Amino acid sequence: AQSVTQLGSHVSVSEGALVLLRCNYSSSVPPYLFWYVQYPNQGLQLLLKYTSAATLVKGINGFEAEFKKSETSFHLTKPSAHMSDAAEYFCAVSHTGANSKLTFGKGITLSVRP
Amino acid sequence: DAGVTQSPTHLIKTRGQQVTLRCSPISGHKSVSWYQQVLGQGPQFIFQYYEKEERGRGNFPDRFSARQFPNYSSELNVNALLLGDSALYLCASSLTSGGAYEQYFGPGTRLTVT
Repeated sequence: AQSVTQLGSHVSVSEGALVLLRCNYSSSVPPYLFWYVQYPNQGLQLLLKYTSAATLVKGINGFEAEFKKSETSFHLTKPSAHMSDAAEYFCAVSHTGANSKLTFGKGITLSVRP
Repeated sequence: DAGVTQSPTHLIKTRGQQVTLRCSPISGHKSVSWYQQVLGQGPQFIFQYYEKEERGRGNFPDRFSARQFPNYSSELNVNALLLGDSALYLCASSLTSGGAYEQYFGPGTRLTVT
């Protein structure tokens, strides 16, 4: 079985500050990991994915995430927050197999203060 | 290229009724997955179809069913609606089946059951 834990439901940062959104996973097999962003009343947009190549993954809009097997973590970071980054962020895990099932965390709401 | 499209955008139904939601994948994508997102939670996997065959099923009752057509579009049916079925229903498409492939989400159908 696989699962994702996103600690805290809300993170607030000032514009220009570092963004750090935490994600820990549990998987009995090597995982594939994803970060998605959801703006109000919209679907999910893929930010980045880890599929066992480089452990540091760069995504869109200046986001990146580092896969740390020893810590079973895949935290999302951005050096400098922008007002437009305010949204809900979901970490998700899948694995090698016949299907594409994504297991999502509960999500973290990011607020950016001017 | 057009992204994943879903119809209708919003839907209001009464308890006990039946509903059909529709999804058209990105051109060239052969896999479609359905997710349910209850307010304040991450999406939950319902079904995945690939080449018209069911490849995965989540922990949902038999009132939920789906199918995929020869043009790779898909329908999700929910019978005997309950208040708890109120949610955003998301469709995602991917090139093929398997956990490593990105899934691209549509804007969702907001279902309200009264």
